[in-house]
Amino acid sequence: NAGVTQTPKFQVLKTGQSMTLQCAQDMNHNSMYWYRQDPGMGLRLIYYSASEGTTDKGEVPNGYNVSRLNKREFSLRLESAAPSQTSVYFCASSLFGVNTEAFFGQGTRLTVV
Amino acid sequence: SQQGEEDPQALSIQEGENATMNCSYKTSINNLQWYRQNSGRGLVHLILIRSNEREKHSGRLRVTLDTSKKSSSLLITASRAADTASYFCATDTGGGADGLTFGKGTHLIIQP
Repeated sequence: NAGVTQTPKFQVLKTGQSMTLQCAQDMNHNSMYWYRQDPGMGLRLIYYSASEGTTDKGEVPNGYNVSRLNKREFSLRLESAAPSQTSVYFCASSLFGVNTEAFFGQGTRLTVV
Repeated sequence: SQQGEEDPQALSIQEGENATMNCSYKTSINNLQWYRQNSGRGLVHLILIRSNEREKHSGRLRVTLDTSKKSSSLLITASRAADTASYFCATDTGGGADGLTFGKGTHLIIQP
C-alpha cells in the first residue's frame, strides 16, 4: 500500500531554476493538497485541489503553480526558485475535503541556494 | 495565518507518564484533527473530532473538544519512547475543502 508518494525526496536548486514536485496517491481520493513546512511555522497550505479538474490557492501560493493531472496526480511547480522557497514540501490527500482524514507523503526537502 | 496554537511548545516526560497537549483556535470549525510527525517524516493522522462531539478515544489517545472555549486537548496515556514526536492540531476553516490550518505543534520527548 503506497498511499501518497512524493518525488524527489531531496533537491537542491540554484536561484532562478525551475522544478516540478510530483505527487501521486493510490487511494482514489478526491482532494489533494500541497503544504510547506518551515521551522517554527507549522504547515501552511500552498494550493489545493478539491476534486479532479479544480485547483485553488491556499495561504501561500505566490511563486508556485499546480496541475491536477488526473485523479491520482497533483504536481507543484516552482517556475523561478528563490531562497525563500527553501522548505520541506508535503503533499496530502483526503477522500472528501477537510472533513475526512488527510494522508501525507514523506516530504520533499528543497534547498534553494 | 495560524488558526490553531498548541501548548506547550515542548514537553518532556518520563516513560509511563501521561502527556497532555492543548490546542486553541480562533474561528468556528466543523472538525478538529490531531496529527503526529516523527522526525524527518510525514504527518500521520491520529484522531478527527467533529464540532458536535466532546470527547473521542483511540487506544491510548483521548481527545476533548470544547467549542465554547475554542480549545481541544490530546491526552496520551502510559507514554512510550515511540511516542516521541511532534503533535499538531489542525482545523478546517468551514469552507469544506480548502485545506487544513495547522498549529505550530508540540514537540513531545519521552525519556526512557
